[in-house]
Amino acid sequence: QVQLVESGGGLVKPGGSLRLSCAASGFTLSDYHMSWIRQAPGKGVEWVSYISSSSSHTNYADSVKGRFTISRDNAKNSLYLQMNSLRAGDTALYYCAREVMNPDGSGSGAFDIWGQGTMVTVSS
Amino acid sequence: QSALTQPPSASGSPGQSVTISCTGTSSDVGGYNYVSWYQQHPGKAPKLMIYEVSKRPSGVPDRFSGSKSGNTASLTVSGLQAEDGADFYCSSYAGSNNYVFGTGTKVTVL
Repeated sequence: QVQLVESGGGLVKPGGSLRLSCAASGFTLSDYHMSWIRQAPGKGVEWVSYISSSSSHTNYADSVKGRFTISRDNAKNSLYLQMNSLRAGDTALYYCAREVMNPDGSGSGAFDIWGQGTMVTVSS
Repeated sequence: QSALTQPPSASGSPGQSVTISCTGTSSDVGGYNYVSWYQQHPGKAPKLMIYEVSKRPSGVPDRFSGSKSGNTASLTVSGLQAEDGADFYCSSYAGSNNYVFGTGTKVTVL
């Protein structure tokens, strides 16, 4: 079935790094734009980063710009998020999510498939 | 990017309707017909309920409907059922591959 499975979360000290992975199955990853979205404990949902289907375009929330890097390997059906210079404020459950696509190949701004999330805790 | 503004809570009795607002700006909600709504039960990932302002994904009951006027979008849940109690988030495309979510609304079925 169509699913996304995140991994790579854990406990890291402030200033440290982590690399999250998202494995896609049941659909052709190269047909979809993808995003990382996070949710701090007991808080709302925050979009973090976007990558286009062919990796030609990426974008980041201001809160992570310059510290996080999104990438993908369509041949391996995988999405990644390299997180550097981590701060306490980055503590959250990180989801990867698939964007609903329009017939012309553009995204619709909505996310129809989400993983179960991987928890990142930044603490000394 | 600033989060879209939603009321913290909303409630209704079974069978009644509840409407949740989502207020943004002309740079996000008002500028694009790319507003979506998500339902999140505790411990679960958000689930897409409405996309492109008023479209329902396959499997979402027609009790859920969306609309937009200017910089404010709305989600209406008609014929409330116990299982509709959850957190709801709106989201909007904000141009240049930017996306913004709402502050979230906790819906309680009385």
